[in-house]
Amino acid sequence: QQQVKQSPQSLIVQKGGISIINCAYENTAFDYFPWYQQFPGKGPALLIAIRPDVSEKKEGRFTISFNKSAKQFSLHIMDSQPGDSATYFCAASNDQAGTALIFGKGTTLSVSS
Amino acid sequence: IAGITQAPTSQILAAGRRMTLRCTQDMRHNAMYWYRQDLGLGLRLIHYSNTAGTTGKGEVPDGYSVSRANTDDFPLTLASAVPSQTSVYFCASSAQQGAPYNEQFFGPGTRLTVL
Repeated sequence: QQQVKQSPQSLIVQKGGISIINCAYENTAFDYFPWYQQFPGKGPALLIAIRPDVSEKKEGRFTISFNKSAKQFSLHIMDSQPGDSATYFCAASNDQAGTALIFGKGTTLSVSS
Repeated sequence: IAGITQAPTSQILAAGRRMTLRCTQDMRHNAMYWYRQDLGLGLRLIHYSNTAGTTGKGEVPDGYSVSRANTDDFPLTLASAVPSQTSVYFCASSAQQGAPYNEQFFGPGTRLTVL
């Protein structure tokens, strides 16, 4: 049973374009939704995170949109740059209950210059 | 040391051999985790530890064991390696599992090949 479903598996975007990665979850008890960014040969690093009490969070060119009723959240990268080329993972956890993060399968983003 | 270190960086191992992957953090984090990353499968939790002296099983614990004798170290042992354990292994830590905005910090990974 896959609790966090991520799509697409890969994405190619032109420089300056908008990259959109989507995730859906099943467990309504999840209350913490981070996105991690991983460059080749490196470990993942936290990019941005959201709690379900807000519908959107923006940090620079990165925005999380959250739809609690649909049990979906997405990452939007505005003005995508070649340096954004990486693998992105969504994740979810029941932070209040102290459960571990459950990760999506990842999206490999390539931004062409 | 700054953050999380893992050793070795990479290893080729014969099937049936015993192997311990090392992980050390210097952030005094309570919680530590081991993940394996496989193409198309993302990051899957193997074992975790909420605090020194305690451990728990994740999604894919079979064939692996861990110990947490102190806060800083969290070794992962493959008692008898099999080819399906070929993967990239990441150690991670967080201040406390369940804390608000519980950011996990990842190490650089160990690439393990079992032949």
